[in-house]
Amino acid sequence: ILNVEQSPQSLHVQEGDSTNFTCSFPSSNFYALHWYRWETAKSPEALFVMTLNGDEKKKGRISATLNTKEGYSYLYIKGSQPEDSATYLCASTNYGGSQGNLIFGKGTKLSVKP
Amino acid sequence: DAGVIQSPRHEVTEMGQEVTLRCKPISGHDYLFWYRQTMMRGLELLIYFNNNVPIDDSGMPEDRFSAKMPNASFSTLKIQPSEPRDSAVYFCASSLRGASSGNTIYFGEGSWLTVV
Repeated sequence: ILNVEQSPQSLHVQEGDSTNFTCSFPSSNFYALHWYRWETAKSPEALFVMTLNGDEKKKGRISATLNTKEGYSYLYIKGSQPEDSATYLCASTNYGGSQGNLIFGKGTKLSVKP
Repeated sequence: DAGVIQSPRHEVTEMGQEVTLRCKPISGHDYLFWYRQTMMRGLELLIYFNNNVPIDDSGMPEDRFSAKMPNASFSTLKIQPSEPRDSAVYFCASSLRGASSGNTIYFGEGSWLTVV
């Protein structure tokens, strides 16, 4: 994998459903994986920064896992609420890369219907 | 702290006009980034500064784009002359250390540019 890929591109769920989406990233020279939540017209908000293989992080109903050997991360939302509707972006950085080199995926747009 | 502050929030301009976008990073952050968000290409890095010095501008699309950081609390991104394909959301972001240090990068709310 040369780029950061996210799937699905969009997702529509009902309030109360749990959901998850995937970020695939280059595993060679991997350093860190970032997850952001972006509501239109607002700043992308940092959710997690993960660096270690097997790392799991949690913030309220949102959690994320990381597999650096195979180059993927999952983001889980338990009991989705309408306020979770947003675009979820992941980005990776690599050793030896530019200090500005956060490579972003195109995001997963989540819509939660009441 | 107020976070990263960008202006204008929205701009509609005619093709050929000069556009200047402004950014105030979070105080104390050494790194400042300019990103562009489009439907086709997602979020792309245009340029970043470390201690006010431009380090990597390889993402700047062409000579019509320029960026400056005259001091630690202010940066501009200029497009001259603007073209319809420049229509996008331009984000400014800052961080204490760079992305390769695994640090969080904090984004502004973006400048929504439409060139007609």
